[in-house]
Amino acid sequence: AQTVTQSQPEMSVQEAETVTLSCTYDTSESDYYLFWYKQPPSRQMILVIRQEAYKQQNATENRFSVNFQKAAKSFSLKISDSQLGDAAMYFCAFVAGGGADGLTFGKGTHLIIQP
Amino acid sequence: GAGVSQSPSNKVTEKGKDVELRCDPISGHTALYWYRQSLGQGLEFLIYFQGNSAPDKSGLPSDRFSAERTGGSVSTLTIQRTQQEDSAVYLCASSYDRYNEQFFGPGTRLTVL
Repeated sequence: AQTVTQSQPEMSVQEAETVTLSCTYDTSESDYYLFWYKQPPSRQMILVIRQEAYKQQNATENRFSVNFQKAAKSFSLKISDSQLGDAAMYFCAFVAGGGADGLTFGKGTHLIIQP
Repeated sequence: GAGVSQSPSNKVTEKGKDVELRCDPISGHTALYWYRQSLGQGLEFLIYFQGNSAPDKSGLPSDRFSAERTGGSVSTLTIQRTQQEDSAVYLCASSYDRYNEQFFGPGTRLTVL
């Protein structure tokens, strides 16, 4: 069974600053995908970024980037130039290559943006 | 195109009643997933459909829970004889196939009194 751990229940950052959210996972699978999802108060889960385990290059999406350390089973999310609209719960998630077991989520990190 | 939709948005029911939650996936998406989000348990995977078939139902919390999908499209999650511990947000997601990212609906908040 897979586990995903987010050790930071809450993080706070000043607007325009950079913040890093931590995630570690445990699996015996060799083929898997990692995701960061954002959930604002509206409840809508929004995909932020995706990383395939077989890719060595870290994924980036505009102000969002990841630091994927496969050997350490670490998958952190960096948000640059934080904006008020980034305030939300952020969930790290794992799925094995087949996808049939669904996503395994961490407990989430509540990100607060200070104006 | 339209995203994943779920209905109702909110449902309040009395303990012991049956409820039915509906999910309309993105058109053309063959894979469909149900999750439950609660304060105590976080986000839990419940069941996966590939087409109309659910290969593994072991993620459903109890035999009071059932799910079906018809026509490779709409899915319903039914909870019989609801209990207070069933109170949660039920999220549905769909993907083009099981190898692609999942797109989530807005969820149904179920409150059992």
